Amino acid sequence: DQQVKQNSPSLSVQEGRISILNCDYTNSMFDYFLWYKKYPAEGPTFLISISSIKDKNEDGRFTVFLNKSAKHLSLHIVPSQPGDSAVYFCAAGPLSGAGSYQLTFGKGTKLSVIP
Amino acid sequence: KAGVTQTPRYLIKTRGQQVTLSCSPISGHRSVSWYQQTPGQGLQFLFEYFSETQRNKGNFPGRFSGRQFSNSRSEMNVSTLELGDSALYLCASSPDGSGNTIYFGEGSWLTVV
Repeated sequence: DQQVKQNSPSLSVQEGRISILNCDYTNSMFDYFLWYKKYPAEGPTFLISISSIKDKNEDGRFTVFLNKSAKHLSLHIVPSQPGDSAVYFCAAGPLSGAGSYQLTFGKGTKLSVIP
Repeated sequence: KAGVTQTPRYLIKTRGQQVTLSCSPISGHRSVSWYQQTPGQGLQFLFEYFSETQRNKGNFPGRFSGRQFSNSRSEMNVSTLELGDSALYLCASSPDGSGNTIYFGEGSWLTVV
């Protein structure tokens, strides 16, 4: 059972336009959400996170939106740049650690930004 | 501040052999977790260590094991390697593994032939 789903395996966007990457989750215990970016042959790099007490978090060109009732979050990149071309992973976990902490990841969305 | 360091970066092993991968967390981080990434799959949680104790384990067979040392460095071991174990193995660290972002290393690419 996939608790974190990224239903779009790939996405192509023109340079300068908005990229919207989506993620759905099923586990109500998740209250901390993160986005990671991964280039080939490198480890994932943390991009941005949001806790369930907020519905939006912004960091430069990156904004994450959280809709708790729909169990849906999205990452907006504005404006998109060719260097943003990578695989983006959505991850979720509990905010408060009662012992062990682990993240559950989606399978990723490959973003291609076309110059 | 140095990031998470994993060694070796690339290795090739034969079916039936065993392999040990090493991870040095970010200085001051006490929680180390391991993930496996295979083509078409997301990152799948292997296990997490904190203060030399395994606190949680993912759904992997007993051939996958790990440990953590007093300096927070960690190793993972895979015994009796199978072709399906070919993957990118990622180590991540966080200050205490409690509601914190985890930071990944570059990963160790394992190919089993």
